[in-house]
Amino acid sequence: DGGITQSPKYLFRKEGQNVTLSCEQNLNHDAMYWYRQDPGQGLRLIYYSQIVNDFQKGDIAEGYSVSREKKESFPLTVTSAQKNPTAFYLCASSIFGSANEQFFGPGTRLTVL
Amino acid sequence: QKEVEQNSGPLSVPEGAIASLNCTYSDRGSQSFFWYRQYSGKSPELIMSIYSNGDKEDGRFTAQLNKASQYVSLLIRDSQPSDSATYLCAPTVYNQGGKLIFGQGTELSVKP
Repeated sequence: DGGITQSPKYLFRKEGQNVTLSCEQNLNHDAMYWYRQDPGQGLRLIYYSQIVNDFQKGDIAEGYSVSREKKESFPLTVTSAQKNPTAFYLCASSIFGSANEQFFGPGTRLTVL
Repeated sequence: QKEVEQNSGPLSVPEGAIASLNCTYSDRGSQSFFWYRQYSGKSPELIMSIYSNGDKEDGRFTAQLNKASQYVSLLIRDSQPSDSATYLCAPTVYNQGGKLIFGQGTELSVKP
């Protein structure tokens, strides 16, 4: 089955710890994206990558880092510098290009205690 | 002015009625427009894409686009309780290679 997987589904961490969220896709998509969603709000873009070994900051990149070493994988690290990390994190992918649709993984719900 | 504005919800319609969801956007360069459905606690699911002015129909869903008015809408005919969800409007950002900007969403409730 083709699709986007994110793990884990739920994640609990203590304040001050870094945590890495996994995103893998087998759709052969070029572009991958990370979004954050807070209750009752739309999605905000954290980082995106259009090709391997290249990525750009989105609107709320502070306190986050990413890597894109393989086309299939785009992990997101939430660092201790992120002031309010508790949120629903969504990974998406698309074929490269401005007109192409983004498809989402199931998401990871991160709670920082 | 917000970049993408959607009609504030919740929107409540009876089963079988037409639900009308509206969205305005500020970026005149937006070329592609997407509607996502998001059930509570789940990730967004793409339900409609529209790229040119006019109407696009897919089953019970019709998307309408008017670039001159910077307006896009989604009509759901014969609404069903299973359509109860939050609907997110997402136009592309001009000249930024597929980047989307999302509205805050409209919550739709279809009453049996």
